[in-house]
Amino acid sequence: EAQVTQNPRYLITVTGKKLTVTCSQNMNHEYMSWYRQDPGLGLRQIYYSMNVEVTDKGDVPEGYKVSRKEKRNFPLILESPSPNQTSLYFCASSLRQAYNSPLHFGNGTRLTVT
Amino acid sequence: GENVEQHPSTLSVQEGDSAVIKCTYSDSASNYFPWYKQELGKRPQLIIDIRSNVGEKKDQRIAVTLNKTAKHFSLHITETQPEDSAVYFCAADYSGGGADGLTFGKGTHLIIQP
Repeated sequence: EAQVTQNPRYLITVTGKKLTVTCSQNMNHEYMSWYRQDPGLGLRQIYYSMNVEVTDKGDVPEGYKVSRKEKRNFPLILESPSPNQTSLYFCASSLRQAYNSPLHFGNGTRLTVT
Repeated sequence: GENVEQHPSTLSVQEGDSAVIKCTYSDSASNYFPWYKQELGKRPQLIIDIRSNVGEKKDQRIAVTLNKTAKHFSLHITETQPEDSAVYFCAADYSGGGADGLTFGKGTHLIIQP
């Protein structure tokens, strides 16, 4: 089944403790992206990647890192999480962004930082 | 960059009535306009999209219209049903090489009253 898989679904952590949210897609998509969703603010892009070893900042990149060493994986790294990073996170992928291919979203990761 | 405004933030309609959600965009170069539906606790999923060379597109009870001159597009849902209750996001994108992808509106919470 074609899908974007995020792990974990739920994560509670403490301020300053490094964490990684994994994202993997099995559709051979070139484009991958991370979003955070907060009430009243919609979906805001954190980082995106056009292809392997190519990443760039979105609208809200502060406090986050990403890597794209393989086409299928695009992990989101929080080196020193803070409470304002408590949010619902979505990974998404599409075939080729330049051709307006639809975005496929993962099931989301709800992160709580205390 | 692109800015997408979406209205209303909440819309309550009687079952069987029509619902209309409106979005405006700022970048005249944007040429792709998808709509996503997010049911409670689930991921956003594409329900319909339109490209700038088309003025209207229909899929059963759902239709999207685009006015390039005014830079606005709308989602129309006819004969609403309880399963239409969800948050709907509009988005805009430019396919001419722009890499940062979709810009989303803040979402509309559609409530279908029985």
